[in-house]
Amino acid sequence: AIQMTQSPSSLSASVGDRVTITCRASQGIGNDLGWYQQKPGKAPKLLIFAASRLQSGVPSRFSGSGSGTDFTLTISSLQPEDFATYYCLQDYIYPFTFGPGTEVEIK
Amino acid sequence: QVQMVESGGGVVQPGGSLRLSCVASGFTLSSFGMHWVRQAPGKGLEWVAFIGFDGGSIHYAGFVKGRFTISRDNSKNTLYLQLNNLGTEDMAVYYCAKDLSYSRASPGYWGQGTLVTVSS
Repeated sequence: AIQMTQSPSSLSASVGDRVTITCRASQGIGNDLGWYQQKPGKAPKLLIFAASRLQSGVPSRFSGSGSGTDFTLTISSLQPEDFATYYCLQDYIYPFTFGPGTEVEIK
Repeated sequence: QVQMVESGGGVVQPGGSLRLSCVASGFTLSSFGMHWVRQAPGKGLEWVAFIGFDGGSIHYAGFVKGRFTISRDNSKNTLYLQLNNLGTEDMAVYYCAKDLSYSRASPGYWGQGTLVTVSS
């Protein structure tokens, strides 16, 4: 199975900061990568699919980039509602696999 | 409005079984692939299984090892996950999720989950 890693595992940031989270696949996955946001006690929410395509209704401060093995999720200006855990998911080949998550905390 | 409601979770002894259900509404279930994803307490997300729109394509995570069975009844707008020979490592919230689109097999829309507790 494809292994997914994320860095950092957690970060502290302030409202208005630019935040970048990276995800790496153990083998090439084209652009078959999604980013999810999860808040405590809630179901995950899809933010980005196909590495860079914004899901409907998601604020434009979220963006994704990358292809092959290296991917990035960027939040251009962190808002209070963005404090959450973020996961990447490869949907290139079954079994799909998630990254271990990045917790974004308030500084 | 797309909605999925999971049920069937509960407390089960090690080695026991449960059948989870996911009732879909707001879309035509028979047109979309569906996934199960789980999350152990305090842990990350773990993809479990996928079933194609007509049940003709099925895939599992490696840890399933023949213990779980995904199925669907499109006439009842319902997705299932049969869990057998449960261990403490299977204790988690189980989410069902709908493919994002006809052409994109990404878990795009999620239910609120059902909790499976494995304890003697």
